[in-house]
Amino acid sequence: GAGVSQSPSNKVTEKGKDVELRCDPISGHTALYWYRQSLGQGLEFLIYFQGNSAPDKSGLPSDRFSAERTGGSVSTLTIQRTQQEDSAVYLCASSLAQSNTGELFFGEGSRLTVL
Amino acid sequence: DQQVKQNSPSLSVQEGRISILNCDYTNSMFDYFLWYKKYPAEGPTFLISISSIKDKNEDGRFTVFLNKSAKHLSLHIVPSQPGDSAVYFCAASKSRYTGANSKLTFGKGITLSVRP
Repeated sequence: GAGVSQSPSNKVTEKGKDVELRCDPISGHTALYWYRQSLGQGLEFLIYFQGNSAPDKSGLPSDRFSAERTGGSVSTLTIQRTQQEDSAVYLCASSLAQSNTGELFFGEGSRLTVL
Repeated sequence: DQQVKQNSPSLSVQEGRISILNCDYTNSMFDYFLWYKKYPAEGPTFLISISSIKDKNEDGRFTVFLNKSAKHLSLHIVPSQPGDSAVYFCAASKSRYTGANSKLTFGKGITLSVRP
């Protein structure tokens, strides 16, 4: 597709369940980022993948959060044993290796609601 | 620790007038600054950026000013239009080039309302 694609767009789950969120970046983009936006907050960095390098996981809030990127393309963010404070919009972004503007291209996000 | 601060949560301006959105940062390692615009139920979209070696960058109705000594930047929209009504995020990174320093640190955003 032309843009960053994320699924599901909405997910409602019960506390304690595991969830998987998927991101399909723009073709050719080597960098992939996960952010989340909680209610009334800015975008919080979670994790960054660049090519075959080890990911930057410095933003993951707890060990319940993990992410992988298979084949340098699609990425999955997994949240285990979800808690109510995990409720947020999870945004994926991708970018070129070299960019004149340094911009990230964002998907529309996956809205997660933990009951 | 909020490294990028947008202290005003909202701004309302009349159509045709200037909108000035402010942003402050604390990390002196930030070298590149961007503004993103977000409509409800959509992902943020890039608006304009500025490198720390410049103090101004202009793109049509949008101008970003950077005062590095004050660690302050602002986005000016002239003239403001109702379609500009959105949430505006200020973001900063240590490098514009993809790599370990390229991740963006965002502010909390400012909701701009442009009244017809």
